Amino acid sequence: DSGVTQTPKHLITATGQRVTLRCSPRSGDLSVYWYQQSLDQGLQFLIQYYNGEERAKGNILERFSAQQFPDLHSELNLSSLELGDSALYFCASSVDRGAIYNEQFFGPGTRLTVL
Amino acid sequence: GENVEQHPSTLSVQEGDSAVIKCTYSDSASNYFPWYKQELGKGPQLIIDIRSNVGEKKDQRIAVTLNKTAKHFSLHITETQPEDSAVYFCAASKDGNNRLAFGKGNQVVVIP
Repeated sequence: DSGVTQTPKHLITATGQRVTLRCSPRSGDLSVYWYQQSLDQGLQFLIQYYNGEERAKGNILERFSAQQFPDLHSELNLSSLELGDSALYFCASSVDRGAIYNEQFFGPGTRLTVL
Repeated sequence: GENVEQHPSTLSVQEGDSAVIKCTYSDSASNYFPWYKQELGKGPQLIIDIRSNVGEKKDQRIAVTLNKTAKHFSLHITETQPEDSAVYFCAASKDGNNRLAFGKGNQVVVIP
């Protein structure tokens, strides 16, 4: 168990809908990362938040957005869902307190199915 | 951006033998290389990592080597056991940029 929790574990929804995925980082970790895992694209970095602020953006669609709250938990919002958004969504966290290298610890993921 | 490639895509080994997975990366500025193990239905688990200031690191049956000149790094698993069966991902990142660029993953199957 990495200490990173994600809810829900599974999510089934229809095209055009909006969903919210939730992540709680390990105790003491300031950074949260979101990754998408699909069969064709592999693990892709979406976005990073550090202590409430957006720090880095990857291949995140405009229909997707995220935020990190004062208690450091994070939410990933996916809207106008398409079939191709079906994937595993992982959250990871790291300490990120001035260290050059920061090990990232992954949660168990949320499996999103868009029908 | 960084491009990480892994070979082979699937690897079958007899229990007790060694397994080697190789990765190459494109960005010479990358200096942190972690390896993750993903079991079915679970999230990636960090198993070992290496920084660019060392060439090799070992942790029990697992070792990682790094060749910065050739821009490749490898994972070595010795005395493989059935519980080593999983998908292994290599990744790379660099100072000031913590985003990880992942390879496509290797399915390792340990045959009892």
